[in-house]
Amino acid sequence: DAKTTQPTSMDCAEGRAANLPCNHSTISGNEYVYWYRQIHSQGPQYIIHGLKNNETNEMASLIITEDRKSSTLILPHATLRDTAVYYCIVKSHQGAQKLVFGQGTRLTINP
Amino acid sequence: EADIYQTPRYLVIGTGKKITLECSQTMGHDKMYWYQQDPGMELHLIHYSYGVNSTEKGDLSSESTVSRIRTEHFPLTLESARPSHTSQYLCASSEYQTGTDTQYFGPGTRLTVL
Repeated sequence: DAKTTQPTSMDCAEGRAANLPCNHSTISGNEYVYWYRQIHSQGPQYIIHGLKNNETNEMASLIITEDRKSSTLILPHATLRDTAVYYCIVKSHQGAQKLVFGQGTRLTINP
Repeated sequence: EADIYQTPRYLVIGTGKKITLECSQTMGHDKMYWYQQDPGMELHLIHYSYGVNSTEKGDLSSESTVSRIRTEHFPLTLESARPSHTSQYLCASSEYQTGTDTQYFGPGTRLTVL
């Protein structure tokens, strides 16, 4: 599975949009981009995933560049409860199915 | 929300004891996984299963064993706990459908071996 690069930490003001970038320049054609978050060492929470089209659900939006080498997770109106470590993961739906968690981005939402 | 459960949530136990961490899911997912996470560190896959009677070792070597006798149940066992086993253990499950193979995680079991 391809590796990802994320900033170590980010800050965002409460009520503003939080934009979390992720680089995955070696992504393969059959690999999806998944985003999870982990709050205080609880089990990771699934947020959203996509292949090449932009995606939106009740939690967030995912913007994937046309060349698929990078993506951005957008939390449109961040709240204090969005403070967490956010992981960008690329994986196919074949093989061992494992999720390779890197260091992630520690997002802090400030009041 | 995912319906995946882990018990106990916290366990403190002495060296040499046998322990079993329970994981169950009510979603009917075929695939289940165990990850290990030390505080502030990355998650590492230690076991997974494609279905009943299927178990495989993950990337991280682990002295634990697993079994999959029923679809909904994927327990992890340590025959003789040691302080080096102190960690958080996270269980997950998934079901492949076209365009998605999302893993859903349980709340985790935090194990401390004295």
